[in-house]
Amino acid sequence: AQSVAQPEDQVNVAEGNPLTVKCTYSVSGNPYLFWYVQYPNRGLQFLLKYITGDNLVKGSYGFEAEFNKSQTSFHLKKPSALVSDSALYFCAARNSGNTPLVFGKGTRLSVIA
Amino acid sequence: GAVVSQHPSWVICKSGTSVKIECRSLDFQATTMFWYRQFPKQSLMLMATSNEGSKATYEQGVEKDKFLINHASLTLSTLTVTSAHPEDSSFYICSAPGTTSGGTYNEQFFGPGTRLTVL
Repeated sequence: AQSVAQPEDQVNVAEGNPLTVKCTYSVSGNPYLFWYVQYPNRGLQFLLKYITGDNLVKGSYGFEAEFNKSQTSFHLKKPSALVSDSALYFCAARNSGNTPLVFGKGTRLSVIA
Repeated sequence: GAVVSQHPSWVICKSGTSVKIECRSLDFQATTMFWYRQFPKQSLMLMATSNEGSKATYEQGVEKDKFLINHASLTLSTLTVTSAHPEDSSFYICSAPGTTSGGTYNEQFFGPGTRLTVL
């Protein structure tokens, strides 16, 4: 069965500092990996995805993520955090078949001014 | 990217009534749609896969008689919460996969969600 783990419930970072939100996955075959952000009482907003190609994926709002096959990880990063980045972040994964995304439990990011 | 809409965006109903939530793919056809449920401060849990022209596939633990899914056309799937109770209060999100020319998809497009509150 496919699964996604986000080991941190909460990540706190000072504005201007780099941020990392961790994600590991367990997917049979080649993984399709995604990051989404959710603001309060809102739907999911797509940030970035890895399907194939370069291990470093750049996405919206200055976010990027690095696919590491040996560590089965897909950590989300940003060089300089903004207060407006404070939100709930979800990592999601699926295999290459037509299966639905499986989500991690989410990590709440709090950027402090 | 492709757009998925949901209606209504929020609904409040009395216990015992039924509520229908619509999910539409606006600029593409979706033979498959996924319905997720999200409790406050929790992750999205897949409830069921809706298939156009056939029965929905429900995840383990989801009552198919309570959560009726109808995929009437290539652009519309509906979720009806029957005899709603306060514990059904949740955020319901639908999603449709975008298809590639190879027949498999590499992205899922999400609707904005419907917040259901059962009094």
